[in-house]
Amino acid sequence: GENVEQHPSTLSVQEGDSAVIKCTYSDSASNYFPWYKQELGKGPQLIIDIRSNVGEKKDQRIAVTLNKTAKHFSLHITETQPEDSAVYFCALREGGADGLTFGKGTHLIIQP
Amino acid sequence: DAGVIQSPRHEVTEMGQEVTLRCKPISGHNSLFWYRQTMMRGLELLIYFNNNVPIDDSGMPEDRFSAKMPNASFSTLKIQPSEPRDSAVYFCASSLMGQGDYEQYFGPGTRLTVT
Repeated sequence: GENVEQHPSTLSVQEGDSAVIKCTYSDSASNYFPWYKQELGKGPQLIIDIRSNVGEKKDQRIAVTLNKTAKHFSLHITETQPEDSAVYFCALREGGADGLTFGKGTHLIIQP
Repeated sequence: DAGVIQSPRHEVTEMGQEVTLRCKPISGHNSLFWYRQTMMRGLELLIYFNNNVPIDDSGMPEDRFSAKMPNASFSTLKIQPSEPRDSAVYFCASSLMGQGDYEQYFGPGTRLTVT
């Protein structure tokens, strides 16, 4: 099956600064790339997603970019706030499959 | 709108016992997914259903695991007999698949501890 590499595993940034998390994949048929935020004791929450026919998508302070040629996609959070502290997972849908394959997660810590 | 509902939220059982986890998907969704989350392996897809029919169960660890979806509003994941290595958080997710819609929405999970 598909392997999704996610980096970094832990990211600490000062409140107000930007955070970037990157994922790489190998299956060029992958066509859907969501990002999830998971807070302690809760289920993953979909925060933004992008399809393979789009290069960038933005929603307020959150943006996702996709480079299909290089097979990587990234989550960008600007003007970080304490409530952004959580574990973030990238995921993808392989071509021909409906289930998601997840990265190992990034623990984002916002320092006050 | 109620999201995905899972029960119980926590389950502690002894090795060898049968465990049943329950899920109610979002009303109107036609696809349901069971995932397992552990520190070692992260989030893994176990099985998913489309219109109540199991489509891919290749992620189910072994024959001790079984899943059913008797109707569009209910699914179960059963482990019999349970083993300590089954300890994990089990998530159910649902989706309205079709015409390029792929968003999956997760429930709060069931934390299973097998002693």
